[in-house]
Amino acid sequence: DQQVKQNSPSLSVQEGRISILNCDYTNSMFDYFLWYKKYPAEGPTFLISISSIKDKNEDGRFTVFLNKSAKHLSLHIVPSQPGDSAVYFCAAIMVGGGSNYKLTFGKGTLLTVNP
Amino acid sequence: EADIYQTPRYLVIGTGKKITLECSQTMGHDKMYWYQQDPGMELHLIHYSYGVNSTEKGDLSSESTVSRIRTEHFPLTLESARPSHTSQYLCASSESWGRREKLFFGSGTQLSVL
Repeated sequence: DQQVKQNSPSLSVQEGRISILNCDYTNSMFDYFLWYKKYPAEGPTFLISISSIKDKNEDGRFTVFLNKSAKHLSLHIVPSQPGDSAVYFCAAIMVGGGSNYKLTFGKGTLLTVNP
Repeated sequence: EADIYQTPRYLVIGTGKKITLECSQTMGHDKMYWYQQDPGMELHLIHYSYGVNSTEKGDLSSESTVSRIRTEHFPLTLESARPSHTSQYLCASSESWGRREKLFFGSGTQLSVL
């Protein structure tokens, strides 16, 4: 049973517009969330994260919003650029990971930014 | 940023061969991981290690084995490769602060077993 869900396999936007990537989770014990970006044949790279004590975190063009009651988070990219075209993975960490730390990933959303 | 290296980047090999995927990191991280990922699918944790001589199996059952003799080195071995092992293998290490973790990934090894 998937605990982190990215229901949109793909998203296409025009350069300069906003990209919104969504992620839902089912486990209320998750308390820290991360977004990773992955190009083909490369490893994922860390993009931005948010703690469950916040509802928003911003880093340049990237903003992550967290709605704990809805168990939903979203990544906003403004303005979108062709170089943002990649697969974006949402990931979550369980409270008290400690020695049992495990990062749970979604299936990813392929973002295509058209010039 | 962590420096983590995987070799080879691409490997095409015949069924029944023994292979070892190399992973090294230079940041002194105690925690290291192996993930397996197929296109359009989530990353699945297959092995992890919290330090030298410590290895554990992950969520996804795998016929591969790992070893952690040195902090910086976490190789993955398949004794007899099969076509079902065709996948991308991603090595990662992590730094932690409090209860927060951030994984740094290598570039991955794309394995094709014929």
